[in-house]
Amino acid sequence: AQSVAQPEDQVNVAEGNPLTVKCTYSVSGNPYLFWYVQYPNRGLQFLLKYITGDNLVKGSYGFEAEFNKSQTSFHLKKPSALVSDSALYFCAVRFSYNQGGKLIFGQGTELSVKP
Amino acid sequence: GAGVSQSPSNKVTEKGKDVELRCDPISGHTALYWYRQSLGQGLEFLIYFQGNSAPDKSGLPSDRFSAERTGGSVSTLTIQRTQQEDSAVYLCASSPSGFGGPYEQYFGPGTRLTVT
Repeated sequence: AQSVAQPEDQVNVAEGNPLTVKCTYSVSGNPYLFWYVQYPNRGLQFLLKYITGDNLVKGSYGFEAEFNKSQTSFHLKKPSALVSDSALYFCAVRFSYNQGGKLIFGQGTELSVKP
Repeated sequence: GAGVSQSPSNKVTEKGKDVELRCDPISGHTALYWYRQSLGQGLEFLIYFQGNSAPDKSGLPSDRFSAERTGGSVSTLTIQRTQQEDSAVYLCASSPSGFGGPYEQYFGPGTRLTVT
């Protein structure tokens, strides 16, 4: 079955430190991978995506993610965390062939950045 | 430009009543999706519209749920005979296309449904 896993419910980092939010996926074929962020009482905002090509993808707000096909992972990273990065982060996958574009989401990781 | 809008932002209804949730996608986006976000189930796909094609209803949890998209734009999600387990945030998203292209989806702010 196709699935996405975010193994950490919560990640705590200090402001200025690097952060990593983990995501692994289980699919057949070549996936398209996405990261979204959700602030309290808001909808999801797109951060970045991997389609093909360079395994390191850069996105909004200084975030980047590394696609690793052998480990089926797509971890979200930022070199220096900000308090304002505190939010709920979702990894999602859709499929590059005819699947209608629907997304399968991980369960979300709550990121808390402390001053 | 304008993003995806949803109305109402909050809806409280009594068990057994019908509710309608509305989504206005980004102009020109041919693909429209409904998702449900709840504490127990996370983010779940409900239904997908692509242009004039038949919708993908594979995520609808029961026959009490239905959706339509009029004129290829506005969509309404209807829940009949609401149950307490229907309480959730209902999110709408749109993208330039569903098939083939690697497009991200743009989400609305959601409708928080509470069934009492």
